[in-house]
Amino acid sequence: EVQLVESGGDLAQPGGSLRLSCAASGFTFSSYAMNWVRQAPGKGLEWVSSITSGGGSTYYADSVKGRFTISRDNSKNTLNLQMNNLRAEDTAVYYCAKRGYSDLWGRGTLVTVSS
Amino acid sequence: DIQMTQSPSSLSASVGDRVTITCRASQDITNYLAWFQQKPGKAPKSLIYGSSTLQSGVPSKFSGSGSGTDFTLTISSLQPEDSATYYCQHYNSYPFTFGQGTKLEIK
Repeated sequence: EVQLVESGGDLAQPGGSLRLSCAASGFTFSSYAMNWVRQAPGKGLEWVSSITSGGGSTYYADSVKGRFTISRDNSKNTLNLQMNNLRAEDTAVYYCAKRGYSDLWGRGTLVTVSS
Repeated sequence: DIQMTQSPSSLSASVGDRVTITCRASQDITNYLAWFQQKPGKAPKSLIYGSSTLQSGVPSKFSGSGSGTDFTLTISSLQPEDSATYYCQHYNSYPFTFGQGTKLEIK
């Protein structure tokens, strides 16, 4: 089955860290760029970060630049998002999505940043 | 950065109606425009990419058009299950950005 499954969401304190993962299956993961998109409670979709198929280039929204790091392990079909120095405004459901136009989405994982 | 502006922000229509949602980019994005449908508590679902190419499995009642800066999503023969929020997103260059969403209510 073609799917993406996110994990790693949790409650974190401001200034803390979390690492999200996205497990891909049913397609050739190494052939596609991947994205992280988030949605704060009651709000719209916000693109967070993207990585090219080989992992050689990464891109970030200004709101997370310098705090978040996207990476991938093509041998394990896994996409990651290391989130450091978390802020309350990072509270959101985080989705991973496949290729530039996000033709496949995971179900999301909830990150809550609160003291 | 390219800004995406959707209109209207919400609309109400009846079963059987046809509706059009507009998305405007702040600069030319050729046809690098995607549309998504999101129902409450669910992940977004891809409907259209390349401005007008229907994603596999998406019914033909959905159609997209446009190029450059102005784009539309049209949904025909509305059914109750079409009630959702619809988003456009450009993927012309980084950072990718989404429109603010259009909430469609079926009366």
